Amino acid sequence: DGGITQSPKYLFRKEGQNVTLSCEQNLNHDAMYWYRQDPGQGLRLIYYSQIVNDFQKGDIAEGYSVSREKKESFPLTVTSAQKNPTAFYLCASSPYRGDQPQHFGDGTRLSIL
Amino acid sequence: AQSVSQHNHHVILSEAASLELGCNYSYGGTVNLFWYVQYPGQHLQLLLKYFSGDPLVKGIKGFEAEFIKSKFSFNLRKPSVQWSDTAEYFCAVNVPGGFKTIFGAGTRLFVKA
Repeated sequence: DGGITQSPKYLFRKEGQNVTLSCEQNLNHDAMYWYRQDPGQGLRLIYYSQIVNDFQKGDIAEGYSVSREKKESFPLTVTSAQKNPTAFYLCASSPYRGDQPQHFGDGTRLSIL
Repeated sequence: AQSVSQHNHHVILSEAASLELGCNYSYGGTVNLFWYVQYPGQHLQLLLKYFSGDPLVKGIKGFEAEFIKSKFSFNLRKPSVQWSDTAEYFCAVNVPGGFKTIFGAGTRLFVKA
């Protein structure tokens, strides 16, 4: 079955450490997204990519970085500059540029040690 | 900037009760509107969408939503809820041709059997 795989499911970060969250899709979708979900705030867009080797900042990109070297992969790095990284991170995809997100992964829960 | 407001964070209903979840957005131009649902233990998924045409749209599992342009609203309705409708519901909006879909904070619905 096609879908989005996020790993790991749970991740712990030490102060000052960068961590990378994996997102892989086998749907052949052009567009991929990273959202952050905090209680009572819904999903907020971190970064999005409409095509390989291209990505744009969302509403809360500070302290995060991404790459899109392959169509199927869109990893998110939470850097030490992100002062409040504890959250649930969701990766999503859509078939075409400009589409709304249509498929979501299971998410990664990041916590600070 | 666009924003989406969902009026209720938590709703508790008995089976067979009618459901209406409120959603308002702020944007003066043409928008696409969506409702997503996340059932316990499952991925977030698209419930229904409005792009243009008939402002009353029907989705899966008996849900419908009505777009009222003058009120900037896109409320979700179901005449008779079931225990299996227990989930979190998110309203979302994007601009046609744009790349950013903005989500509301979500409404947790609990249906008592």
